[in-house]
Amino acid sequence: NAGVTQTPKFQVLKTGQSMTLQCAQDMNHEYMSWYRQDPGMGLRLIHYSVGAGITDQGEVPNGYNVSRSTTEDFPLRLLSAAPSQTSVYFCASSYRAGEETQYFGPGTRLLVL
Amino acid sequence: GENVEQHPSTLSVQEGDSAVIKCTYSDSASNYFPWYKQELGKRPQLIIDIRSNVGEKKDQRIAVTLNKTAKHFSLHITETQPEDSAVYFCADPFNKFYFGSGTKLNVKP
Repeated sequence: NAGVTQTPKFQVLKTGQSMTLQCAQDMNHEYMSWYRQDPGMGLRLIHYSVGAGITDQGEVPNGYNVSRSTTEDFPLRLLSAAPSQTSVYFCASSYRAGEETQYFGPGTRLLVL
Repeated sequence: GENVEQHPSTLSVQEGDSAVIKCTYSDSASNYFPWYKQELGKRPQLIIDIRSNVGEKKDQRIAVTLNKTAKHFSLHITETQPEDSAVYFCADPFNKFYFGSGTKLNVKP
């Protein structure tokens, strides 16, 4: 199993550009989530999904959209990038919500100029 | 996150000493309590977890204790080594998978 994969590893955007961060898992996990981690800071939940077709907001959802059309994929879209979105983005998944270990992807470093 | 508070934010210990990190949660229905370790530049990884039907769980030099009455759980690292230096996060997955703010542990050789 590849586990949780994320692409790209690093991206530079200009203010106002849009892009999609990809996340995929091959463990048949129902629960998937996106976090952002600013330098020296903790993990803040952006959006999450408890299964295909179901998504919900976390702590910091503004400026981001998600969709979950398949169990395997959970892309994160930045609609109009801002410098405040410069961060490391982690995707994570677990078998179910609430009572299971989350497995993290390697992260995507995003720089918005 | 909204539901979990973690202390201290930084902790510096001498190699061989013990380290304790504490998290407080708010929802009495929470029943699963994990601890993650994040080394510099890497992804968080689970190091130990506990479920609400037990009060303590050990794995070699690390242990987690749970006090459901007081709604807090703690990570204990004994005989600390330089490779234990990292940021440690607790989490309360019950409602949404929120993490604590993290504790940066520095083990001085």
